[in-house]
Amino acid sequence: GENVEQHPSTLSVQEGDSAVIKCTYSDSASNYFPWYKQELGKRPQLIIDIRSNVGEKKDQRIAVTLNKTAKHFSLHITETQPEDSAVYFCAASRSGGFKTIFGAGTRLFVKA
Amino acid sequence: SAVISQKPSRDICQRGTSLTIQCQVDSQVTMMFWYRQQPGQSLTLIATANQGSEATYESGFVIDKFPISRPNLTFSTLTVSNMSPEDSSIYLCSVAGGTGYNEQFFGPGTRLTVL
Repeated sequence: GENVEQHPSTLSVQEGDSAVIKCTYSDSASNYFPWYKQELGKRPQLIIDIRSNVGEKKDQRIAVTLNKTAKHFSLHITETQPEDSAVYFCAASRSGGFKTIFGAGTRLFVKA
Repeated sequence: SAVISQKPSRDICQRGTSLTIQCQVDSQVTMMFWYRQQPGQSLTLIATANQGSEATYESGFVIDKFPISRPNLTFSTLTVSNMSPEDSSIYLCSVAGGTGYNEQFFGPGTRLTVL
């Protein structure tokens, strides 16, 4: 079945450094790739997404890139801050009501 | 985005009992989903709650264990039946954003502990 692999499972960076989280997906028909941030004890929050007709999208300190040929997409966080510490989930789905497949998550620690 | 609430926020239950979790949305939405998130794990889809018809369950989840109601476009319930300690988890409802893509917005979750 459909699968999304996410790496690394844990990432520790110094405040101000960049963090990169990578995901690969198996369903070539996937066309929507959201990223969620989940702080401890809170609900997952959509932070950025990218659609298959776009290769890159940026929103302030976060950016996502998509390589459809390789079925690979990444989250980039620049100038990390302690409040970026959370679990990040990538996901993939098709438009039109198909279910969303989530990656296993990356626990990001930003050390002050 | 829609405002989503869940009740209860947490509960501690005895094995063999059942718990019904409610999900309320402040606007009409076509698609509602129920997820389970076990401690330290990712989100696993239990079922899609369809208004006016039976829910669509994912592999490994059955209606007898997780009956779902969807009486209208703003409300759904998930029941965890005949609970065992393995059902201890966070249960989250979510709604799709309605653009045709599956951006999802999650409720605050229900933390269930089964003794």
